[in-house]
Amino acid sequence: QKEVEQNSGPLSVPEGAIASLNCTYSDRGSQSFFWYRQYSGKSPELIMFIYSNGDKEDGRFTAQLNKASQYVSLLIRDSQPSDSATYLCAVNISGGFKTIFGAGTRLFVKA
Amino acid sequence: DVKVTQSSRYLVKRTGEKVFLECVQDMDHENMFWYRQDPGLGLRLIYFSYDVKMKEKGDIPEGYSVSREKKERFSLILESASTNQTSMYLCASSWTSGRETQYFGPGTRLLVL
Repeated sequence: QKEVEQNSGPLSVPEGAIASLNCTYSDRGSQSFFWYRQYSGKSPELIMFIYSNGDKEDGRFTAQLNKASQYVSLLIRDSQPSDSATYLCAVNISGGFKTIFGAGTRLFVKA
Repeated sequence: DVKVTQSSRYLVKRTGEKVFLECVQDMDHENMFWYRQDPGLGLRLIYFSYDVKMKEKGDIPEGYSVSREKKERFSLILESASTNQTSMYLCASSWTSGRETQYFGPGTRLLVL
């Protein structure tokens, strides 16, 4: 069974701090990696995707991918209370149609 | 903007009833997906479709069937609802490659009594 693992949290950080969310995956053939944000009672929405090893930055968000260690992370700089949500890591299995989602990490940003 | 709509936000059904959940997307996406989301378990794939009339089983297809007669529409059918099918059901769509972002509908919260 191919898996995507996340710490369920909750992860609590003060406003303005850096939030670090981590994800590990089991399939070495995985090619595409996504971070989705899900507010309570809402559906997931894409924050970032990353395909290559290294860092990818978009505003306050940075995705980091290390295929050798099979982990992907999301950093949120200058965290805001509006960032409080569940963050889902998703991994596309070996370029096929199927994407596996982690169970998500709940983030709380305290004002 | 991509829009994925689902027929109901909330549904209450009785055990044994046949339940239809419908999903429509307006972006001409090839792929459509049905997931269920339960606390602590994340999103689990029930079925997906990569073309009209084509379907593939996901991780938890038992007790469900699907239909895709038109490209924009993907239906999930619970042939005989059971209490363990109480869940949030999410539809998603994407372009053809597995590298593409999935766009989610608002979800249907189903309660089976």
